[in-house]
Amino acid sequence: DQQVKQNSPSLSVQEGRISILNCDYTNSMFDYFLWYKKYPAEGPTFLISISSIKDKNEDGRFTVFLNKSAKHLSLHIVPSQPGDSAVYFCAASGGSNYKLTFGKGTLLTVNP
Amino acid sequence: DAGVTQSPTHLIKTRGQQVTLRCSPISGHKSVSWYQQVLGQGPQFIFQYYEKEERGRGNFPDRFSARQFPNYSSELNVNALLLGDSALYLCASSRWTGTGGYEQYFGPGTRLTVT
Repeated sequence: DQQVKQNSPSLSVQEGRISILNCDYTNSMFDYFLWYKKYPAEGPTFLISISSIKDKNEDGRFTVFLNKSAKHLSLHIVPSQPGDSAVYFCAASGGSNYKLTFGKGTLLTVNP
Repeated sequence: DAGVTQSPTHLIKTRGQQVTLRCSPISGHKSVSWYQQVLGQGPQFIFQYYEKEERGRGNFPDRFSARQFPNYSSELNVNALLLGDSALYLCASSRWTGTGGYEQYFGPGTRLTVT
């Protein structure tokens, strides 16, 4: 039972264009969502998060959108840079529970 | 400030052996969580400790155990290693954001190979 789903295993975009990574969840108890970036042989790096009381959060080139009714969130990267090439994980938690439930990740490749 | 540190970086063990992995959280963070990541999957939650007490446990067998020390560092122990325990083991420390959730910051991981 996969509660957090990233249905696109990979995404390829041109440098300077927008990258949109998608994530769906099924557990209605989730109320906090995070995106992580991961390079091979390294731990995940925290990028941006959003609480369920908001529908948008921005940090520089990264924006996360949350659609609670659709149980869907997306990460927008604008403009995309070659250094953004990595695996991106969506994660969710509920209430005061520290536990993160992760999706399987999306490999983003930004071509120069 | 130093981030989450983990040791060792890499480890090779034989089936049936026991292993101990170590983690030091970010200064000021009192919670440590452990995750297992196998190739092609997202990290899977193993344990969470807060103020030396276990707060949560994932769907892992009793061969997996952990503890947290007074300085908030933590150890993950795995007994009777199986080939399937080969994975990247990640430690994370948490901070309350004040806006409804905890942000978890991960260490570089320990790559465990069981032969």
